[in-house]
Amino acid sequence: DGGITQSPKYLFRKEGQNVTLSCEQNLNHDAMYWYRQDPGQGLRLIYYSQIVNDFQKGDIAEGYSVSREKKESFPLTVTSAQKNPTAFYLCASSVPGHFVRQYFGPGTRLTVL
Amino acid sequence: QKEVEQDPGPLSVPEGAIVSLNCTYSNSAFQYFMWYRQYSRKGPELLMYTYSSGNKEDGRFTAQVDKSSKYISLFIRDSQPSDSATYLCAMSESSGGGADGLTFGKGTHLIIQP
Repeated sequence: DGGITQSPKYLFRKEGQNVTLSCEQNLNHDAMYWYRQDPGQGLRLIYYSQIVNDFQKGDIAEGYSVSREKKESFPLTVTSAQKNPTAFYLCASSVPGHFVRQYFGPGTRLTVL
Repeated sequence: QKEVEQDPGPLSVPEGAIVSLNCTYSNSAFQYFMWYRQYSRKGPELLMYTYSSGNKEDGRFTAQVDKSSKYISLFIRDSQPSDSATYLCAMSESSGGGADGLTFGKGTHLIIQP
């Protein structure tokens, strides 16, 4: 079955540590996205990539970094510079030119201890 | 301005009722309108996608867009307990990607009582 996988499902981090969230898709989609969801808030775009080796900042990129070395993979690193990293992180992908039809992974819940 | 307003609920209705979920927006440049369903602790799932004004029907779901009023709706007929979830509206100015991205509402928590 095609789809998007995110790992781990739950992640705990100590303050001052960097952590990397995994996102893999086998949908053969070129475009991939990272969102953050906080309680009572809509999804906010962190980074997006429309093609391998290229990515752009979204609305809330500060304190985050990404890479896109393979079409299937778009890992997100939450750095110690992110002041309030506890949130639900969602990865999505879409076919180029149809980015409004985004398919989401199951999410990773990050908690900073 | 990219604000999208959506009543967070919870909205509780009996099984079999018709459900109406709504979003309002201020950016007249929005042309693409989506509804996502999100079960607790899961990723959102695309339910409906419409372009510009008008209605679109898919089974028990109907999406309606009124661009003159900057108002979109999702109707669920013959609601089922399995419809209990958070429903997120999302909007975009274009379909081709770019820095604008999707603008999401905060979601309405829907509860269908058996």
